[in-house]
Amino acid sequence: QKEVEQNSGPLSVPEGAIASLNCTYSDRVSQSFFWYRQYSGKSPELIMSIYSNGDKEDGRFTAQLNKASQYVSLLIRDSQPSDSATYLCAVETSYTGANSKLTFGKGITLSVRP
Amino acid sequence: KAGVTQTPRYLIKTRGQQVTLSCSPISGHRSVSWYQQTPGQGLQFLFEYFSETQRNKGNFPGRFSGRQFSNSRSEMNVSTLELGDSALYLCASSPPDRGTQYFGPGTRLLVL
Repeated sequence: QKEVEQNSGPLSVPEGAIASLNCTYSDRVSQSFFWYRQYSGKSPELIMSIYSNGDKEDGRFTAQLNKASQYVSLLIRDSQPSDSATYLCAVETSYTGANSKLTFGKGITLSVRP
Repeated sequence: KAGVTQTPRYLIKTRGQQVTLSCSPISGHRSVSWYQQTPGQGLQFLFEYFSETQRNKGNFPGRFSGRQFSNSRSEMNVSTLELGDSALYLCASSPPDRGTQYFGPGTRLLVL
Protein backbone atom coordinates (compact mmCIF):
# COMPACT_ATOMS: atom_id res chain seq x y z
CA GLN A 1 0.00 0.00 0.00
CA LYS A 2 1.30 3.43 -0.94
CA GLU A 3 2.02 5.57 2.09
CA VAL A 4 0.40 8.77 0.81
CA GLU A 5 -2.17 8.60 -1.95
CA GLN A 6 -3.84 11.42 -3.78
CA ASN A 7 -6.95 11.02 -5.88
CA SER A 8 -6.19 10.57 -9.54
CA GLY A 9 -6.17 13.60 -11.75
CA PRO A 10 -5.95 15.80 -13.54
CA LEU A 11 -8.73 17.87 -12.06
CA SER A 12 -10.39 20.59 -14.11
CA VAL A 13 -12.82 23.12 -12.64
CA PRO A 14 -14.34 26.32 -14.00
CA GLU A 15 -13.25 29.67 -12.62
CA GLY A 16 -15.14 30.52 -9.44
CA ALA A 17 -15.88 26.90 -8.54
CA ILE A 18 -14.68 24.96 -5.51
CA ALA A 19 -11.79 22.59 -6.15
CA SER A 20 -11.57 19.62 -3.79
CA LEU A 21 -8.28 17.78 -3.48
CA ASN A 22 -8.07 14.61 -1.41
CA CYS A 23 -5.28 12.63 0.21
CA THR A 24 -5.16 9.46 2.29
CA TYR A 25 -2.26 8.14 4.32
CA SER A 26 -1.41 4.74 5.68
CA ASP A 27 0.51 5.36 8.93
CA ARG A 28 -1.97 5.89 11.73
CA VAL A 29 0.63 7.62 13.94
CA SER A 30 1.29 10.43 11.47
CA GLN A 31 1.06 13.80 13.17
CA SER A 32 1.60 16.65 10.72
CA PHE A 33 0.05 17.26 7.34
CA PHE A 34 0.95 19.72 4.63
CA TRP A 35 -0.25 20.90 1.26
CA TYR A 36 2.32 22.20 -1.20
CA ARG A 37 1.62 23.89 -4.53
CA GLN A 38 4.02 23.45 -7.42
CA TYR A 39 3.77 25.50 -10.57
CA SER A 40 5.18 24.00 -13.74
CA GLY A 41 8.94 24.34 -13.78
CA LYS A 42 9.07 25.64 -10.21
CA SER A 43 9.75 24.10 -6.82
CA PRO A 44 7.03 23.24 -4.28
CA GLU A 45 5.84 25.96 -1.92
CA LEU A 46 3.91 25.41 1.29
CA ILE A 47 0.34 26.70 1.26
CA MET A 48 -1.26 24.96 4.26
CA SER A 49 -0.31 22.92 7.30
CA ILE A 50 -2.70 21.17 9.67
CA TYR A 51 -1.98 19.21 12.83
CA SER A 52 -5.31 18.48 14.53
CA ASN A 53 -8.67 17.12 13.44
CA GLY A 54 -11.09 19.56 11.88
CA ASP A 55 -10.85 22.44 9.46
CA LYS A 56 -8.24 25.12 9.07
CA GLU A 57 -8.99 28.09 6.88
CA ASP A 58 -6.58 30.52 5.26
CA GLY A 59 -8.14 32.87 2.76
CA ARG A 60 -9.65 30.84 -0.07
CA PHE A 61 -7.97 27.66 1.17
CA THR A 62 -9.38 25.23 3.73
CA ALA A 63 -7.53 22.16 4.91
CA GLN A 64 -9.54 19.37 6.52
CA LEU A 65 -8.09 16.57 8.62
CA ASN A 66 -9.75 13.39 9.84
CA LYS A 67 -7.21 11.22 11.63
CA ALA A 68 -9.70 8.42 12.30
CA SER A 69 -10.25 8.03 8.56
CA GLN A 70 -6.59 8.86 7.77
CA TYR A 71 -7.75 11.48 5.35
CA VAL A 72 -6.72 15.05 4.63
CA SER A 73 -8.19 17.35 2.02
CA LEU A 74 -7.73 20.80 0.57
CA LEU A 75 -10.61 22.93 -0.63
CA ILE A 76 -9.98 25.92 -2.85
CA ARG A 77 -12.94 28.28 -2.99
CA ASP A 78 -13.53 30.73 -5.83
CA SER A 79 -10.88 28.98 -7.92
CA GLN A 80 -8.81 31.25 -10.12
CA PRO A 81 -6.73 30.44 -13.22
CA SER A 82 -3.67 31.30 -11.11
CA ASP A 83 -4.50 28.29 -8.92
CA SER A 84 -3.67 26.01 -11.84
CA ALA A 85 -0.76 23.95 -10.55
CA THR A 86 0.14 20.58 -9.10
CA TYR A 87 -0.83 20.14 -5.45
CA LEU A 88 1.25 17.82 -3.30
CA CYS A 89 0.04 16.31 -0.06
CA ALA A 90 2.79 15.63 2.49
CA VAL A 91 2.55 13.67 5.73
CA GLU A 92 5.08 13.79 8.56
CA THR A 93 5.47 10.88 10.92
CA SER A 94 7.75 11.14 13.94
CA TYR A 95 9.45 8.13 15.41
CA THR A 96 11.60 7.66 18.45
CA GLY A 97 14.08 10.36 19.29
CA ALA A 98 14.48 13.06 16.70
CA ASN A 99 13.77 10.84 13.76
CA SER A 100 10.83 11.76 11.56
CA LYS A 101 9.82 11.13 7.99
CA LEU A 102 8.06 13.41 5.52
CA THR A 103 6.35 11.54 2.71
CA PHE A 104 4.83 13.17 -0.34
CA GLY A 105 1.99 11.99 -2.52
CA LYS A 106 2.49 12.03 -6.26
CA GLY A 107 0.41 15.15 -6.60
CA ILE A 108 -2.69 16.12 -8.49
CA THR A 109 -2.71 18.64 -11.29
CA LEU A 110 -5.46 21.23 -11.07
CA SER A 111 -6.55 23.24 -14.07
CA VAL A 112 -8.93 26.17 -13.59
CA ARG A 113 -10.76 27.07 -16.80
CA PRO A 114 -11.45 30.80 -17.35
CA LYS B 1 15.87 36.11 4.80
CA ALA B 2 17.36 34.68 1.67
CA GLY B 3 15.74 31.47 0.50
CA VAL B 4 17.27 28.09 -0.15
CA THR B 5 19.78 28.23 -2.97
CA GLN B 6 20.95 25.39 -5.15
CA THR B 7 23.79 25.20 -7.63
CA PRO B 8 24.07 24.50 -10.43
CA ARG B 9 20.56 24.98 -11.81
CA TYR B 10 21.11 22.79 -14.85
CA LEU B 11 23.52 19.99 -15.62
CA ILE B 12 24.09 17.69 -18.54
CA LYS B 13 26.20 14.59 -17.92
CA THR B 14 26.83 11.31 -19.65
CA ARG B 15 26.34 7.82 -18.31
CA GLY B 16 29.07 6.68 -15.97
CA GLN B 17 30.07 10.15 -14.86
CA GLN B 18 29.57 11.47 -11.38
CA VAL B 19 27.97 14.70 -10.25
CA THR B 20 27.92 16.88 -7.14
CA LEU B 21 25.05 19.21 -6.33
CA SER B 22 25.14 21.93 -3.72
CA CYS B 23 22.51 23.39 -1.40
CA SER B 24 22.64 26.35 0.97
CA PRO B 25 19.76 26.38 3.47
CA ILE B 26 17.93 29.35 4.88
CA SER B 27 19.99 31.02 7.60
CA GLY B 28 19.31 29.35 10.93
CA HIS B 29 17.99 26.13 9.42
CA ARG B 30 20.10 23.14 10.39
CA SER B 31 18.10 20.43 8.67
CA VAL B 32 18.57 19.85 4.96
CA SER B 33 16.67 17.23 2.98
CA TRP B 34 17.18 16.11 -0.60
CA TYR B 35 14.52 14.86 -2.97
CA GLN B 36 14.41 13.48 -6.50
CA GLN B 37 11.43 14.45 -8.60
CA THR B 38 10.47 12.69 -11.82
CA PRO B 39 7.18 12.72 -13.74
CA GLY B 40 6.61 9.03 -13.11
CA GLN B 41 7.61 8.68 -9.46
CA GLY B 42 6.82 12.10 -8.07
CA LEU B 43 8.83 13.54 -5.20
CA GLN B 44 10.99 10.89 -3.59
CA PHE B 45 13.01 11.38 -0.43
CA LEU B 46 16.75 10.79 -0.70
CA PHE B 47 18.15 11.74 2.70
CA GLU B 48 18.11 14.29 5.48
CA TYR B 49 21.05 15.85 7.27
CA PHE B 50 21.06 17.60 10.61
CA SER B 51 24.14 19.02 12.30
CA GLU B 52 26.44 17.25 9.83
CA THR B 53 24.84 13.85 10.50
CA GLN B 54 22.58 11.87 8.22
CA ARG B 55 19.37 11.57 10.20
CA ASN B 56 17.16 9.80 7.69
CA LYS B 57 17.60 7.96 4.42
CA GLY B 58 15.26 6.97 1.62
CA ASN B 59 15.37 3.89 -0.58
CA PHE B 60 18.01 4.86 -3.08
CA PRO B 61 21.14 2.89 -4.07
CA GLY B 62 24.49 3.64 -2.54
CA ARG B 63 25.47 5.63 -5.64
CA PHE B 64 23.57 8.47 -4.03
CA SER B 65 25.38 10.03 -1.11
CA GLY B 66 25.45 13.30 0.70
CA ARG B 67 27.11 15.31 3.39
CA GLN B 68 26.57 18.43 5.41
CA PHE B 69 29.12 20.97 6.51
CA SER B 70 29.40 22.86 9.77
CA ASN B 71 27.70 25.90 8.19
CA SER B 72 24.71 23.64 7.31
CA ARG B 73 25.44 23.77 3.59
CA SER B 74 24.92 20.37 2.03
CA GLU B 75 26.10 18.51 -1.02
CA MET B 76 24.80 15.41 -2.68
CA ASN B 77 26.81 13.21 -4.98
CA VAL B 78 25.68 10.70 -7.54
CA SER B 79 28.33 8.37 -8.88
CA THR B 80 28.21 6.22 -12.00
CA LEU B 81 25.27 8.09 -13.47
CA GLU B 82 22.51 6.17 -15.21
CA LEU B 83 19.94 7.43 -17.69
CA GLY B 84 17.26 6.98 -15.04
CA ASP B 85 18.97 9.52 -12.80
CA SER B 86 17.71 12.29 -15.05
CA ALA B 87 15.45 14.28 -12.76
CA LEU B 88 14.89 17.48 -10.84
CA TYR B 89 16.83 17.34 -7.59
CA LEU B 90 15.34 19.46 -4.87
CA CYS B 91 16.85 20.52 -1.61
CA ALA B 92 14.71 21.70 1.30
CA SER B 93 15.62 23.19 4.65
CA SER B 94 13.60 23.13 7.85
CA PRO B 95 13.54 25.37 10.90
CA PRO B 96 14.43 23.95 14.33
CA ASP B 97 10.85 22.91 15.10
CA ARG B 98 10.81 20.86 11.86
CA GLY B 99 7.61 20.23 9.96
CA THR B 100 7.59 22.89 7.29
CA GLN B 101 10.11 22.45 4.53
CA TYR B 102 11.29 25.28 2.32
CA PHE B 103 12.40 24.20 -1.09
CA GLY B 104 15.16 25.54 -3.27
CA PRO B 105 14.71 26.07 -7.02
CA GLY B 106 16.20 22.67 -7.80
CA THR B 107 18.92 21.35 -10.06
CA ARG B 108 17.72 19.78 -13.27
CA LEU B 109 20.02 16.94 -14.23
CA LEU B 110 19.99 15.35 -17.66
CA VAL B 111 21.99 12.18 -18.19
CA LEU B 112 22.73 11.29 -21.80
